[in-house]
Amino acid sequence: AQSVTQLDSQVPVFEEAPVELRCNYSSSVSVYLFWYVQYPNQGLQLLLKYLSGSTLVKGINGFEAEFNKSQTSFHLRKPSVHISDTAEYFCAHYKYIFGTGTRLKVLA
Amino acid sequence: EPEVTQTPSHQVTQMGQEVILRCVPISNHLYFYWYRQILGQKVEFLVSFYNNEISEKSEIFDDQFSVERPDGSNFTLKIRSTKLEDSAMYFCASSGTSGRDTQYFGPGTRLTVL
Repeated sequence: AQSVTQLDSQVPVFEEAPVELRCNYSSSVSVYLFWYVQYPNQGLQLLLKYLSGSTLVKGINGFEAEFNKSQTSFHLRKPSVHISDTAEYFCAHYKYIFGTGTRLKVLA
Repeated sequence: EPEVTQTPSHQVTQMGQEVILRCVPISNHLYFYWYRQILGQKVEFLVSFYNNEISEKSEIFDDQFSVERPDGSNFTLKIRSTKLEDSAMYFCASSGTSGRDTQYFGPGTRLTVL
């Protein structure tokens, strides 16, 4: 069965520091990968997606992710985080398979 | 900007009762989905709906669940006889003309089964 693994349940980071949220997926013929952000008491908002083409994907709010087929990874990065980035981040594969989420907490 | 809406925002029900959760997808979208998120856990896919029929469903989506598009705008999830473990946040989503299109999620309905 297909799966998505988010290795870190929580990531604390200081404001203006870089951050990487890790995601690994189980290999499959079709690879469609997504990162979503969920702010408290809200629904999911798409940050970025990879369907094909360039392996470096840029999304909203300054986030980007790199698709690495050999390592079956799709890690999310931001060079400088803000307090407002504090939220839960979900990696998903082919829309239906979600990881367990990573709670990003940005510290002042 | 068009958005997916869901009603109610919070539903409290007694175990064994039927509930209907309502969603209004984005108007020109053709694919509709329901997900649930038990408190503190990951988002789980329940069902996808296209062309007036279920296109995919998960193991969670058993006989107590059903979906319907009763008119041109609403998309509903019915839970026939609620159980305590059905307590969760239920999210509706819709996407455009292709199954690969971006999904837009509603704000969710929090279902509490007592």
